[in-house]
Amino acid sequence: AQSVSQHNHHVILSEAASLELGCNYSYGGTVNLFWYVQYPGQHLQLLLKYFSGDPLVKGIKGFEAEFIKSKFSFNLRKPSVQWSDTAEYFCALRHSGAGSYQLTFGKGTKLSVIP
Amino acid sequence: DAEITQSPRHKITETGRQVTLACHQTWNHNNMFWYRQDLGHGLRLIHYSYGVHDTNKGEVSDGYSVSRSNTEDLPLTLESAASSQTSVYFCASSDSPGNTQYFGPGTRLTVL
Repeated sequence: AQSVSQHNHHVILSEAASLELGCNYSYGGTVNLFWYVQYPGQHLQLLLKYFSGDPLVKGIKGFEAEFIKSKFSFNLRKPSVQWSDTAEYFCALRHSGAGSYQLTFGKGTKLSVIP
Repeated sequence: DAEITQSPRHKITETGRQVTLACHQTWNHNNMFWYRQDLGHGLRLIHYSYGVHDTNKGEVSDGYSVSRSNTEDLPLTLESAASSQTSVYFCASSDSPGNTQYFGPGTRLTVL
């Protein structure tokens, strides 16, 4: 069965610091990968997604992620975080098997940005 | 604008009671999903549906049921609520395989 691992449970950064959140997955076939964000008290919103093509994916609010197939990784990056980026971030996988519309989520990484 | 709504937003119930959480989407999406979110576990899939009259069990389906009588709604029923089902429940929908799932605002359920 597929699984998603997020290495950091809680990350604390100062404003303007660079961010990298780790995401590794286990599945041997073709995958679609997603990063979702959940701001305090709100529902999940899509940050970015990778289906195919350029492994460097750009999303909203200055976030990007790089799919490295050989490392089974899809790390999320932002060069300079803001206080408003304080949220919980979830990496998710959908494998491309027949009828596989479900997402498998990681346990999430809470990001706290200190002004 | 199309949206996905959940009701109630907060619910407190007692052990053993039947509880139904509503999910309604106006995207006209065929695929709908129910997840629960627990600290340290992320989101886990409870049930999902690929269309009217279609329902499927997810990773943590025990104690839950769903029915899909129309495209817009996928109510989640807890047959006999247990304290272990205290959680935040999210509904989501998508229009086709591989496309983005859109999430509702969530229902916080407390079982005493």
